[in-house]
Amino acid sequence: DGGITQSPKYLFRKEGQNVTLSCEQNLNHDAMYWYRQDPGQGLRLIYYSQIVNDFQKGDIAEGYSVSREKKESFPLTVTSAQKNPTAFYLCASSITQTKGELFFGEGSRLTVL
Amino acid sequence: GDSVTQMEGPVTLSEEAFLTINCTYTATGYPSLFWYVQYPGEGLQLLLKATKADDKGSNKGFEATYRKETTSFHLEKGSVQVSDSAVYFCALSSTNAGKSTFGDGTTLTVKP
Repeated sequence: DGGITQSPKYLFRKEGQNVTLSCEQNLNHDAMYWYRQDPGQGLRLIYYSQIVNDFQKGDIAEGYSVSREKKESFPLTVTSAQKNPTAFYLCASSITQTKGELFFGEGSRLTVL
Repeated sequence: GDSVTQMEGPVTLSEEAFLTINCTYTATGYPSLFWYVQYPGEGLQLLLKATKADDKGSNKGFEATYRKETTSFHLEKGSVQVSDSAVYFCALSSTNAGKSTFGDGTTLTVKP
């Protein structure tokens, strides 16, 4: 079955630790995205990537980093510089950046203790 | 820049009631418009879409019409069910921006 797989689903970390969230897709989509969702709020774009080895900052990139070494993978690292990292993180992909329909993973819930 | 404004929630309805969730947008050019649905603890799923003016998207009894003159894309359903309880997001995607813009989401609760 084609789709997007995010892992882990739940993650607990201590303050000051870096954390990497995994996102893998087998849809052969060019574009991939990371969003952050806080309770009762909409989605805010962290980073996005149109093609391998290229990515752009979204609206709230500070304290986060990404890589796009393979077409199917777009991991997100939440660094210790992110002041309030506890949130629900969603990975998405689309066929191309101009074909706007997004396919989402199930999400990863990060809690910093 | 692009923006999407959704009707504030939460919305609580009885089963079989009529649903409307308002959505208006601001964008340059001719965006595509979407409604996504999110069930508790899950990611978003595409509910319906429309890619040009006067298009009507429909799925699972939900409908929305792309109104360019009023820059709106209101979501409607004639008879809601308990299983429709979820958070609904209006979104747009414009070629100029190269990314999607989401509204804040509207939480719908349907009571039996």
